Amino acid sequence: GENVEQHPSTLSVQEGDSAVIKCTYSDSASNYFPWYKQELGKRPQLIIDIRSNVGEKKDQRIAVTLNKTAKHFSLHITETQPEDSAVYFCAASIVGYGNKLVFGAGTILRVKS
Amino acid sequence: DAGVIQSPRHEVTEMGQEVTLRCKPISGHDYLFWYRQTMMRGLELLIYFNNNVPIDDSGMPEDRFSAKMPNASFSTLKIQPSEPRDSAVYFCASSHPGQGGGYGYTFGSGTRLTVV
Repeated sequence: GENVEQHPSTLSVQEGDSAVIKCTYSDSASNYFPWYKQELGKRPQLIIDIRSNVGEKKDQRIAVTLNKTAKHFSLHITETQPEDSAVYFCAASIVGYGNKLVFGAGTILRVKS
Repeated sequence: DAGVIQSPRHEVTEMGQEVTLRCKPISGHDYLFWYRQTMMRGLELLIYFNNNVPIDDSGMPEDRFSAKMPNASFSTLKIQPSEPRDSAVYFCASSHPGQGGGYGYTFGSGTRLTVV
């Protein structure tokens, strides 16, 4: 089955700097890659996603890139703010095959002001 | 839309007791997922349903765990008997492939289960 690895497990950045979180997946059939943000004690919330027919997607300060050949995808957050501090999860699934998401282990992002 | 609704928000129970967690998915969503979150194991998929039918229960840890979806607006996850190692946050999520062009889940607020 699919296996998603996520790095780093923790990341500390200074406010205003950029943060990058990377994930690799094992199943080349995976074609949908969402990212979730989970604040302490809250539910995971979808912040951005990308499909395999696209190489990059941006939404204001966040962007996701996908390299299908290497089977990895990354989350980029620019101009980080204290409210970006949270746990971020990547995930992968095969759309049309149950829509079952497999999650990475998560990255704790701390933005220091 | 009220989103995915889970109850209870917190549950403390004694080892050996039966625990029932409840979930109401978003109206119109035809997939429902139960996840368990712990520090050690992260987000684990326990079981998921499509159109009320269980599709994959390979993540259910043991026979002590069971899940049902009697109709499109309600699902339960039952643990009987409960054990301390079942302590975790249990999330329910629903999705509708193709909605808004995306396939992402909407999670409920979760049930924090503590078994003492």
